[in-house]
Formats: sequence, C-alpha cells, structure tokens
Amino acid sequence: DAGVTQSPTHLIKTRGQQVTLRCSPKSGHDTVSWYQQALGQGPQFIFQYYEEEERQRGNFPDRFSGHQYPNYSSELNVNALLLGDSALYLCASSLGRDSPLHFGNGTRLTVT
Amino acid sequence: QKEVEQNSGPLSVPEGAIASLNCTYSDRGSQSFFWYRQYSGKSPELIMFIYSNGDKEDGRFTAQLNKASQYVSLLIRDSQPSDSATYLCAVSTNAGKSTFGDGTTLTVKP
Repeated sequence: DAGVTQSPTHLIKTRGQQVTLRCSPKSGHDTVSWYQQALGQGPQFIFQYYEEEERQRGNFPDRFSGHQYPNYSSELNVNALLLGDSALYLCASSLGRDSPLHFGNGTRLTVT
Repeated sequence: QKEVEQNSGPLSVPEGAIASLNCTYSDRGSQSFFWYRQYSGKSPELIMFIYSNGDKEDGRFTAQLNKASQYVSLLIRDSQPSDSATYLCAVSTNAGKSTFGDGTTLTVKP
C-alpha cells in the first residue's frame, strides 16, 4: 500500500521563477492538504483540496495556487518566487477533511 | 496569540521516565486533536488522535483532552532514546483545516 509520494525531493530555483510540486495521496484518500514548514517552526497550512476544489485556504498570497485531479493527485504552484519561500513543502492526504493526516516526505525548496 | 501553543522546550528526560508534552488552543470550535512526531530531517507522522474529553491510551502513549480548558497533552511512559524527536500538536475544526503548533523538542537521555 503506497503512502503519500511527493516529487521532486529537492529543488533549487532563482528568485522570480515559478515552481510546481506534485503529490500523490495514499491509496483510498480523497483529500490533499499542502503545508509549508520553515526551519524550527510547525507546518503552516497553505490550502486543502477535496473533490477537485480548494476547500480551505491559509494566509498565503495568490502566488500560491493548486490543483487536484480526478485521481486525487495534486499540484502546488508558486509563482514569482521570493527568498522567503525557501522551506520544506509537505503534502498530506486524508480520508475526508477532518481525519488524521498522512504526510509525504516533502519537497525541500531553496530559492536563491 | 497563536492559534496553537506548545511548550517551547527543549524538554529533556532520562530514559525510563515519563515525558509530558502540553498544548493549548484558542478556537473553541475545535473538534479534533492530533499529536505528530517529527524526527530531524523527516516529515511528521501521526502518533495519536483524540476527539472526546478524557484520556486515550495507546501503548506507552496517553493523550488527554480538556475542551473546557482548551488543553491537550501527550504523556509518554517509559521514555526511550528513540522517542527523541519534535512533537507537534495539531487542532482541527469541522472545516477540516489542521493548525499546528511549533512543536516541542524532546530528548531522552540514556
């Protein structure tokens, strides 16, 4: 039973560029949430997708956008990258919107 | 005030002792409460969840919830060096968004 998979593992981008991160949820899960985790801090909620729609959104600018496909996989897009966007990006899937989260291994994004 | 607050730590306990981790939350509408463990350089993994007031036990772990006091805790009995990690408290409303605290780093010394 495959868990949550994220790609890529690491990514280095230049300020101003755009990036796309991908996530496949755990088998049987229908909800995908994205989090940003800076060093020494807890994960910060970006948004949640359920039934291919953004259901909840955290305090992140519109530069952060996402998508969920019919197979429940999801993408996180970040435009006009800033140095402050450097962080670990975590994808988590769940069965329903209020269930325990199962996290992928994350994508480490470095913006230079 | 942060939505979810945890002891800043770090917390250090000797092997075999009880480790007590605490968390308070501000949203009285919160309905689900989770504890995750995060090893250095790894992603969080679920330890326990609790929905109702009282205690919930799973092996060496006990989660305690007091909604009136907006307080949730995690006790780890017979602490082992392998329990050394950062413990994240997360709180969720029925809308489904889980809000995390910044975590408490636990070190269990042999």
